[in-house]
Amino acid sequence: DIQLTQSPSFLSASVGDRVIVTCRASQGINNALAWYQQKPGKAPKLLIHTASTLHTGVPSRFSGSGFGTEFTLTISSLQPEDLATYYCQHRYTYPITFGQGTRLEIK
Amino acid sequence: EVQLVESGGGLVQPGGSLRLSCAASAFPFSNDWMSWVRQAPGKGLEWVASIKPDGSDKYFVGSVKGRFTISRDNVKNSLYLQMNSLRAEDTAMYYCARLLGGVTTFVDWGQGTLVTVSS
Repeated sequence: DIQLTQSPSFLSASVGDRVIVTCRASQGINNALAWYQQKPGKAPKLLIHTASTLHTGVPSRFSGSGFGTEFTLTISSLQPEDLATYYCQHRYTYPITFGQGTRLEIK
Repeated sequence: EVQLVESGGGLVQPGGSLRLSCAASAFPFSNDWMSWVRQAPGKGLEWVASIKPDGSDKYFVGSVKGRFTISRDNVKNSLYLQMNSLRAEDTAMYYCARLLGGVTTFVDWGQGTLVTVSS
């Protein structure tokens, strides 16, 4: 199975900060990676697919990059409503797996 | 607006069975891959199973193979998860999800139904 390791697991940042979350895959997965945002008590929401394609309706402050084994999710200017846990997920092969999550706190 | 509404969760004893349902609306259900994703309390997301639009192909995470079955009714616009031989570690919120195009990216999610396996 392909393992996805996110770093950091917890992040505290201030409004307006640039935030970067990293996802490393245990083997190459081309660009078969997505990012999700899950707010407390809610279902996850798709942010980015195919490593860098912003999903419809997602604010442009979110962006994704990477290929192969290293990927990043960037929030260019953190907003209070970005308080959430963020997950990466690969679709390269079955079984599909998620990273362990990065919990983002607003200072 | 796409709607996915799960039902069927509840408290069940270890070794018992439960059938989850997901009612879909506002999109061409019979054209789309569908999946179940679960989340244990306080834990991360885990993909459980996926099914092709016509139901001919199905995929499962290793921990549920032989115990869980995924199925769909394209006339009723419904997705199902039959869960047998339930274990404590199956306790989770179970989400129904629609896949993006033909790839395993979860574009729409329901609100989830909670399954608790406990004696």
